[in-house]
Amino acid sequence: NAGVTQTPKFQVLKTGQSMTLQCAQDMNHEYMSWYRQDPGMGLRLIHYSVGAGITDQGEVPNGYNVSRSTTEDFPLRLLSAAPSQTSVYFCASSYSSGLASYEQYFGPGTRLTVT
Amino acid sequence: AQKVTQAQTEISVVEKEDVTLDCVYETRDTTYYLFWYKQPPSGELVFLIRRNSFDEQNEISGRYSWNFQKSTSSFNFTITASQVVDSAVYFCALSDGNQGGKLIFGQGTELSVKP
Repeated sequence: NAGVTQTPKFQVLKTGQSMTLQCAQDMNHEYMSWYRQDPGMGLRLIHYSVGAGITDQGEVPNGYNVSRSTTEDFPLRLLSAAPSQTSVYFCASSYSSGLASYEQYFGPGTRLTVT
Repeated sequence: AQKVTQAQTEISVVEKEDVTLDCVYETRDTTYYLFWYKQPPSGELVFLIRRNSFDEQNEISGRYSWNFQKSTSSFNFTITASQVVDSAVYFCALSDGNQGGKLIFGQGTELSVKP
């Protein structure tokens, strides 16, 4: 199992450019999430999905779009990059059993710089 | 609203000292889950423990132990006989019962263990 994979590992964008961060998991997990990590602020949830075709906003969704057409993939799109989106982005997946919530498995992260 | 507070931003200890990382949480749900993650300097997020709100037993795993107290809404993490390899940022996180895709993270505590 590769677990959770993210591409690219590093990216530099100019203000106004758009791009897609890729995330894939091979564990057949129903839940997938995107977080951003900024110094002193921990990780903050951007968007999440509870299954194919179902997504919802997290704490900081503005400027980002997601879709989930398959169980495996959960891409994050930056519509028009801004310097405030300079951050490290983590994708995660997890499973549930009934009402129980289990740990999230994280990808290695994408370090994005917007100039 | 859910919230996780890790009041200690940075802690520095000398090897073999014991250290406790504090975590205080807020939630209105009766069913919830608490987690600790470790982020070493290499940047990946490593899952350490999951605890549900109905299980207040303390947990010990080698040099690591966790103290969950619902009365004070705390889930503290103690490392006994710290080692240089324990140097990392540690995050406490909260998830409500059926919200497997949503973790609320604390700001993180950076632990530095000096030889």
